Amino acid sequence: DAGVIQSPRHEVTEMGQEVTLRCKPISGHDYLFWYRQTMMRGLELLIYFNNNVPIDDSGMPEDRFSAKMPNASFSTLKIQPSEPRDSAVYFCASSSEVNTEAFFGQGTRLTVV
Amino acid sequence: AQSVTQLGSHVSVSEGALVLLRCNYSSSVPPYLFWYVQYPNQGLQLLLKYTTGATLVKGINGFEAEFKKSETSFHLTKPSAHMSDAAEYFCAVRGTGFQKLVFGTGTRLLVSP
Repeated sequence: DAGVIQSPRHEVTEMGQEVTLRCKPISGHDYLFWYRQTMMRGLELLIYFNNNVPIDDSGMPEDRFSAKMPNASFSTLKIQPSEPRDSAVYFCASSSEVNTEAFFGQGTRLTVV
Repeated sequence: AQSVTQLGSHVSVSEGALVLLRCNYSSSVPPYLFWYVQYPNQGLQLLLKYTTGATLVKGINGFEAEFKKSETSFHLTKPSAHMSDAAEYFCAVRGTGFQKLVFGTGTRLLVSP
């Protein structure tokens, strides 16, 4: 398996623009997580899905952030409009009931200027 | 609820010296505990995990950790540091029956020749 695949690896955008981050989980995994990593706040869980259904979105910072999982093999995290304080590395991870650990993608480094 | 405290944001050792990275957890249910490693510009990679059974667990690259329930600790050790061990290390906890991983703030390991 290729592991968790995220795209793009790097994204530079201007303040106010819409940004969409993409994730393909490991096949067969039924949990998908979106994390954000910053120097100030470390690794924060934004939202997670089980069987494509959002279970806990309490970590989503504000309404500008939204996440979807239209099917078992694809998820998006959208920021609209983006702000400089959204600059961070965003990780997607997946796991299954059988696994106890989460498997992480390589991350998307977002810079909002 | 679960939480993790990692003591020391930076740890410096000499090559060949003992590595000790500290992690204490809080969990309202029996925990699953993890150590992940992150190399620069990479995602998180699982080093080792404790779920049930033997409290001393061995992981990749010569690392091991011991689950001590009485001390609510899960410290990471390696007898002899190598230059390639320089990275950031994250301790994480998951409550049994829950899929959400909660991470500590990370410890950056510096290895000098």
